[in-house]
Order: sequence, then structure tokens, then C-alpha cells
Amino acid sequence: KNQVEQSPQSLIILEGKNCTLQCNYTVSPFSNLRWYKQDTGRGPVSLTIMTFSENTKSNGRYTATLDADTKQSSLHITASQLSDSASYICVVTPSGGSYIPTFGRGTSLIVHP
Amino acid sequence: DVKVTQSSRYLVKRTGEKVFLECVQDMDHENMFWYRQDPGLGLRLIYFSYDVKMKEKGDIPEGYSVSREKKERFSLILESASTNQTSMYLCASRSTNTGELFFGEGSRLTVL
Repeated sequence: KNQVEQSPQSLIILEGKNCTLQCNYTVSPFSNLRWYKQDTGRGPVSLTIMTFSENTKSNGRYTATLDADTKQSSLHITASQLSDSASYICVVTPSGGSYIPTFGRGTSLIVHP
Repeated sequence: DVKVTQSSRYLVKRTGEKVFLECVQDMDHENMFWYRQDPGLGLRLIYFSYDVKMKEKGDIPEGYSVSREKKERFSLILESASTNQTSMYLCASRSTNTGELFFGEGSRLTVL
């Protein structure tokens, strides 16, 4: 069964600090991996997409990495801001079949001033 | 910008009532999805639709049905609401070109 595991479940950091969120998956065959940000009470919004051939992709202060061999991804947030407080969800889509994405349970990040 | 609009942000219903949750997207996407989101469980797929009048069960379809009569509209129906259906419901449509999911703002349903 396709699975996506995220760690840590929750994280509290001080404003200005960096942090890294982890995602391990068993989805196969692999098409792409996306990180979504979900603010409290809102729908998730895509931050980055990684395909099989990509190792690193940045979107402002967010940098995602992918190791397709070990089936691991990370999301690094640099110089955190209060507005980064949100849930970050890793979503992996298979190639072929129904192309139905598998969601991780998310990491809840709280940035304190 | 892609817009996915869910009809109600907050609903309170009584056990046994029929509940309609509507979702409309404005980007001509073929694929649409309904999820529920509960603390600690993440998003779970209820139903999805590849195109008009097509629907497929997701991981937790029990107690739910859907309707897709027009491409832009995907409705979730709770025939007889129960307290364990109290949850946040999220609708999404998917871009055929990029595969990106675009979500609505969510509908928080409370069943008393």
C-alpha cells in the first residue's frame, strides 16, 4: 500500500531560525512529490513540485530536496517568519493507474516571536 | 488564478439530516476530489471524479455519495448525517497540465 510518512509531527521554533521537515514515501511507481502549506482554517496551497530527475528546488525561503533512491524528501525553511506557522503536507503522486495522490499527515509548525 | 469555491464555510446539522456540500471550480479541470480532514489523520479521500458523470470511491466512501452533472461542479452528499461525520471537508480540482491540486477553503461541518 502506498504510504507517506512525515516527521516531526509538530515543531516549535523561534522567528529567524531555520528548520527542516522530513517526508518518507513508499509510493511506486513515482511521478512527483509536492509540498503543500496549509494555514489554519484554509485549504492547502502548493509550495514546490519535485519530479524523479530533480534533486533540489527552491521557492523563496523554502527549499525542497528529493532522493528518489531512498524515497525521501525534505523541506527546509530558512529565516523563519511568523507567517510560516502552518501545517506542511507532503503529497506523492504515482505514475500510471489512477494517478491518485497519497497524502502525509502533515507537520504542524509554530514560529514564535 | 484558479478558484475553487465551496458553498458553505460552516454548517451545523442534526443527526439524520441530509447534507449537501457543493464545490465549483472555474478552470475547466476534469479531475475533482472530496477529502475530509481530521486532527492527527490528515486528508483522507472520500470520492473523486475524472470527468462529468464519472465517479470513483476513495478510501472512506461509506456514508457519502457524490454528483458530477456539470464539469465545474462536484457535490458531496451525506444522505443521513451522523456525529462521526463532523469534520472539515475539502474539495480540490486538479490541473491536467501540471497535476497540481487546487483546494477550496473548506467546509467545517458539525453534526449534533
